[in-house]
Amino acid sequence: GDSVTQMEGPVTLSEEAFLTINCTYTATGYPSLFWYVQYPGEGLQLLLKATKADDKGSNKGFEATYRKETTSFHLEKGSVQVSDSAVYFCALIHYTNAGKSTFGDGTTLTVKP
Amino acid sequence: DTEVTQTPKHLVMGMTNKKSLKCEQHMGHRAMYWYKQKAKKPPELMFVYSYEKLSINESVPSRFSPECPNSSLLNLHLHALQPEDSALYLCASSQPNRGRNEKLFFGSGTQLSVL
Repeated sequence: GDSVTQMEGPVTLSEEAFLTINCTYTATGYPSLFWYVQYPGEGLQLLLKATKADDKGSNKGFEATYRKETTSFHLEKGSVQVSDSAVYFCALIHYTNAGKSTFGDGTTLTVKP
Repeated sequence: DTEVTQTPKHLVMGMTNKKSLKCEQHMGHRAMYWYKQKAKKPPELMFVYSYEKLSINESVPSRFSPECPNSSLLNLHLHALQPEDSALYLCASSQPNRGRNEKLFFGSGTQLSVL
């Protein structure tokens, strides 16, 4: 079945540091890939998405590129802020499993001033 | 309006109580979801309604009973819950697209405590 593996956290960075959160997936064909973010006390919000190989999703300074050859969708940001502190979930959905998004375990990011 | 609204935000109930969680969206989405999320874990799918019909039930115990009165509303009726059911319950919506680019819009959740 489909699966998503995220780098284990927690991740602690200083403000303005470079962020990478690794995400790899297992699925047949071409799933759609997502990064969701969950701030404390809130639900998940879609951060960015990509639907086919080599697509780059971007939003709020975050980027991720759909790499079919390495089955990866790593999240990057060039300069993090304290307000980026949250839990980040990588997820996929596939036409063979409509309605059932598969989530990674989540990576907690803490950014210190 | 890109919001999914959930009420109440917090709920404390005893194991013999009956309560309901409510969810509303006005984005015209025709798929609505209930997820359960334990602390520091990813959300777990419970139910999916597609075009107001229950399409997915992830073997959830019968003490959880979903209802979709219309395309904008989703309820989760709770009865005789157990302490291990304490969790954040998240509602989400999306436009059904046969598993392609079905991005989810989540509410802020109901934090449920069962005593």
